[in-house]
Amino acid sequence: EVQLVESGGGLVQPGGSLRLSCAASGFTFSSYWMSWVRQAPGKGLEWVANIKQDGGEKYYVDSLKGRFTISRDNGKNSLYLQMNSLRAEDTAVYYCARTHTWWLRSVGYHYYMDVWGKGTTVTVSS
Amino acid sequence: QSVLTQPPSASGTPGQRVTISCSGSSSNIGSNTVNWYQQLPGTAPKLLIHSNNQRPSGVPDRLSGSKSGTSASLAISGLQSEDEADYYCAAWDDSLNGPVFGGGTKLTVL
Repeated sequence: EVQLVESGGGLVQPGGSLRLSCAASGFTFSSYWMSWVRQAPGKGLEWVANIKQDGGEKYYVDSLKGRFTISRDNGKNSLYLQMNSLRAEDTAVYYCARTHTWWLRSVGYHYYMDVWGKGTTVTVSS
Repeated sequence: QSVLTQPPSASGTPGQRVTISCSGSSSNIGSNTVNWYQQLPGTAPKLLIHSNNQRPSGVPDRLSGSKSGTSASLAISGLQSEDEADYYCAAWDDSLNGPVFGGGTKLTVL
């Protein structure tokens, strides 16, 4: 069964750090881009970051650059999100997702996430 | 404020056909493909439509997607109670260099 399981969430004080993990199984992890997406309480979805199959390319939403770092370990079939200098507005459920992305001149970018984990909750509060 | 614009709510009765719209711009929907996700209460999002109108395996054919210019829509025919959920559109944005989502539409089956 294709599966993603996030862990590492919890309660952290403002300014603190957390490292989220995402364990993949049931597919060849090293063949896919991977993404982190978050959802604040009662709000919509927000893409956070993504990483190429070999970890050689990483991209972030502009508002988070410098505070969050995405990484992966293909030998452990795992994706990570290191979150530093956390703020109250980072409170959210964080999902990891298997990602498909490619570009065709005729239609532009295809970018979609077809497998999602159940999410891990991060609460930033004093 | 989301980059893609969706109506906050939609509704229909069982058996009806409903459509959910998604409006963007030339930097996202106008130049890239559109995807749709369903999120049932308390669960993770699920991919319903990718590449404007492609259904992943297991998604019933009563769901369909379309795109025209800088807008897209999701149609659900033969509405069922289990369709009650939040629906999100998404597309790559060339200006932001990342994927963007709509604010979500809460579908109620009356």
